Amino acid sequence: GQQLNQSPQSMFIQEGEDVSMNCTSSSIFNTWLWYKQDPGEGPVLLIALYKAGELTSNGRLTAQFGITRKDSFLNISASIPSDVGIYFCAGQRGIAGANNLFFGTGTRLTVIP
Amino acid sequence: DSGVTQTPKHLITATGQRVTLRCSPRSGDLSVYWYQQSLDQGLQFLIQYYNGEERAKGNILERFSAQQFPDLHSELNLSSLELGDSALYFCASSVDGTGGEQYFGPGTRLTVT
Repeated sequence: GQQLNQSPQSMFIQEGEDVSMNCTSSSIFNTWLWYKQDPGEGPVLLIALYKAGELTSNGRLTAQFGITRKDSFLNISASIPSDVGIYFCAGQRGIAGANNLFFGTGTRLTVIP
Repeated sequence: DSGVTQTPKHLITATGQRVTLRCSPRSGDLSVYWYQQSLDQGLQFLIQYYNGEERAKGNILERFSAQQFPDLHSELNLSSLELGDSALYFCASSVDGTGGEQYFGPGTRLTVT
């Protein structure tokens, strides 16, 4: 199955620093979602984006739906230890009722106190 | 807590056996999705049901099947299990079949020995 290219693969940052990660695809998506997953747990929805160019925030998180509809970006400001985990982007085409998600390869974030 | 429940949490079984994984969607959600997460393949879509009907299929093996019942809970049946079927299996739900946010359950960790 298709996987989206997500970068960086891993990040080690100091507490308080800002974080940026991105996701690219060769295909157009109509919806972009960002999830965070802790070890052994299910992905937790962080932000949903529905329109090209849209910029949406959720607390210290900000995500953008790329203009080309083939990419998306997630920024985390002033990182804290509980931000540790794996972040996944997911694209959704929403065509003919098939609304399954195509997931990125994940960005593993480590925050050093 | 996403409101999606999955049982069992862990399952250990032998090759050749058959297992059934169960999922209850969030209250009011009509669509259920099954995903498989393995180390080498990442998060992959298996199958989607909407209000009892199969809506889309992904990379689901012929040995795997699923159904959604009138009360909207879903079951994923895995048969003739192989070592390579060991993975985390997630169920997600959404309000309807038109796309948008999907909420994931805690997953079932399947180990085939």
